[in-house]
Amino acid sequence: QKEVEQDPGPLSVPEGAIVSLNCTYSNSAFQYFMWYRQYSRKGPELLMYTYSSGNKEDGRFTAQVDKSSKYISLFIRDSQPSDSATYLCAMSGDLIDSQGGSEKLVFGKGTKLTVNP
Amino acid sequence: EPEVTQTPSHQVTQMGQEVILRCVPISNHLYFYWYRQILGQKVEFLVSFYNNEISEKSEIFDDQFSVERPDGSNFTLKIRSTKLEDSAMYFCAVTGYSYEQYFGPGTRLTVT
Repeated sequence: QKEVEQDPGPLSVPEGAIVSLNCTYSNSAFQYFMWYRQYSRKGPELLMYTYSSGNKEDGRFTAQVDKSSKYISLFIRDSQPSDSATYLCAMSGDLIDSQGGSEKLVFGKGTKLTVNP
Repeated sequence: EPEVTQTPSHQVTQMGQEVILRCVPISNHLYFYWYRQILGQKVEFLVSFYNNEISEKSEIFDDQFSVERPDGSNFTLKIRSTKLEDSAMYFCAVTGYSYEQYFGPGTRLTVT
């Protein structure tokens, strides 16, 4: 079983739709969960960052983590054409120390999203 | 505003040549990471670097790869003898006193 699984899509939705993106993982040591947005041939841009289980909301974006099911989600409300990109989930285990060090990120393959006007 | 810039944005090299990819943090960062992404594939961890030492490296990071911070500012990834399969996007990432990793824009390496 792969460590992080993510449906690659592609996913195509009309403008204004609610988008749901998901990842599953197998390593129960993961505690930090991130969603990145990546445009073609660009660096991943951090969207959301959550620790352990629960929800986090930031504008039109909501991240959910269910550690018991090893399942994380990103919801995008009122999707816009500018949201069209590849969305990557990433996760890591414990922090290394109090100086800001985090363990390596393990990424999903990414879901390509297109929002049509 | 990006936390880090990378140079060059695109590097074309012949197989067997050495390449050096550079990462320049905008502000103070303590931890540095290199990742790569082969076209159409996952972003993969290569190495993490703290206090002038490698903290962790993946099995991809073999003897052909090295990292250093030569002047206390730039952070470099060197590939000594490039192979065709080294063609990929290479991303530098940083953390500071927050634990999130912020990625640079990447260097596209093409080995011919």
